[in-house]
Amino acid sequence: GAGVSQSPSNKVTEKGKDVELRCDPISGHTALYWYRQSLGQGLEFLIYFQGNSAPDKSGLPSDRFSAERTGGSVSTLTIQRTQQEDSAVYLCASSLLRREVDTQYFGPGTRLTVL
Amino acid sequence: KQEVTQIPAALSVPEGENLVLNCSFTDSAIYNLQWFRQDPGKGLTSLLLIQSSQREQTSGRLNASLDKSSGRSTLYIAASQPGDSATYLCAANTGNQFYFGTGTSLTVIP
Repeated sequence: GAGVSQSPSNKVTEKGKDVELRCDPISGHTALYWYRQSLGQGLEFLIYFQGNSAPDKSGLPSDRFSAERTGGSVSTLTIQRTQQEDSAVYLCASSLLRREVDTQYFGPGTRLTVL
Repeated sequence: KQEVTQIPAALSVPEGENLVLNCSFTDSAIYNLQWFRQDPGKGLTSLLLIQSSQREQTSGRLNASLDKSSGRSTLYIAASQPGDSATYLCAANTGNQFYFGTGTSLTVIP
């Protein structure tokens, strides 16, 4: 079956504009995760969803970042009033259930460049 | 806050060598420790997952160990091949968040 998909693959935007990043998890996967990978740095955990709810949003770097998930499937990460420091690769992952033994399946990422 | 460190940051070895990648974490209260592989321009692929109650996991030429008390995990790659060239990341699952190291960039020279 299809893996995790993300769109767009690349996004170039101007400082101050809003952007939406989309993640389509593997069908049937209950848990969905968003990460950010900046150049030369490790992955930064942003948020995870269990179904449509996000129990922990503390990883979001500022109130300009928000995420939602509808129908227990597609998720959108929105960044408002983008800043240059938002430039990074945004990765999405999904798993069957957010359990200790679960394996996350990652999408290819969206490379965001803020000019 | 959990901090995950990976050493070395980069490693270059000739084909056929055995090698060890290191991962350390500051908070031993983890549910599991995962090793991932990331190829340029692509997402991450899970290699091995070690539950907190386990000491090691093996998959083919890969063996990962976990010592929670000392906050360390190692990934052992036997008989390295050029196709093993990639960035290897470890991640500690604390139950609420997943903390990733900055990775080890491995190059296997034919």
